Amino acid sequence: GEDVEQSLFLSVREGDSSVINCTYTDSSSTYLYWYKQEPGAGLQLLTYIFSNMDMKQDQRLTVLLNKKDKHLSLRIADTQTGDSAIYFCAESSGGSNYKLTFGKGTLLTVNP
Amino acid sequence: DAGVIQSPRHEVTEMGQEVTLRCKPISGHNSLFWYRQTMMRGLELLIYFNNNVPIDDSGMPEDRFSAKMPNASFSTLKIQPSEPRDSAVYFCASSREPTDTQYFGPGTRLTVL
Repeated sequence: GEDVEQSLFLSVREGDSSVINCTYTDSSSTYLYWYKQEPGAGLQLLTYIFSNMDMKQDQRLTVLLNKKDKHLSLRIADTQTGDSAIYFCAESSGGSNYKLTFGKGTLLTVNP
Repeated sequence: DAGVIQSPRHEVTEMGQEVTLRCKPISGHNSLFWYRQTMMRGLELLIYFNNNVPIDDSGMPEDRFSAKMPNASFSTLKIQPSEPRDSAVYFCASSREPTDTQYFGPGTRLTVL
């Protein structure tokens, strides 16, 4: 079945860039998403990219998609302490586009 | 615009008790999803409704779990009887169409003692 893998932890200093990586297995994925979850809160959609795109930029966020390697990354420029959260990568399965498969999440810790 | 609303936010109950979780999707959204989040298994889709009809319930763990959507603005997820292994955060999400972006509620943290 579909699988999405992420590293579990990332620690950066305030002001540095953060890069969170994700790999997926479903070659028919249509959309790939990044969600953010702060402690005790629900998932907040950060951004998404359509599978025929290579890059998408939205203010401090840059998403890169390498479809050949099935690799997705989220870059956060000028990382702030408020960016500390768990970041989930998700893909919508080709056959059932409503079905999101999530990675386990990457805990981003931003140190002052 | 109000987002997805879930209640209660926290629920503590004893094994064997019935638990009912509630969700109000975003107005105008025709698709509703129930997810469960645990440390071990991450986020799993339990059931998906489209236009109030259950379309995919393949993720529902067992017969103790049931979900209903009596109208476009309300859904429930019921566990009866509850067991300690059901302890998790349960999220409801909705989208305008099935393949559109899903917007999540704040979740219900369930603890079964």
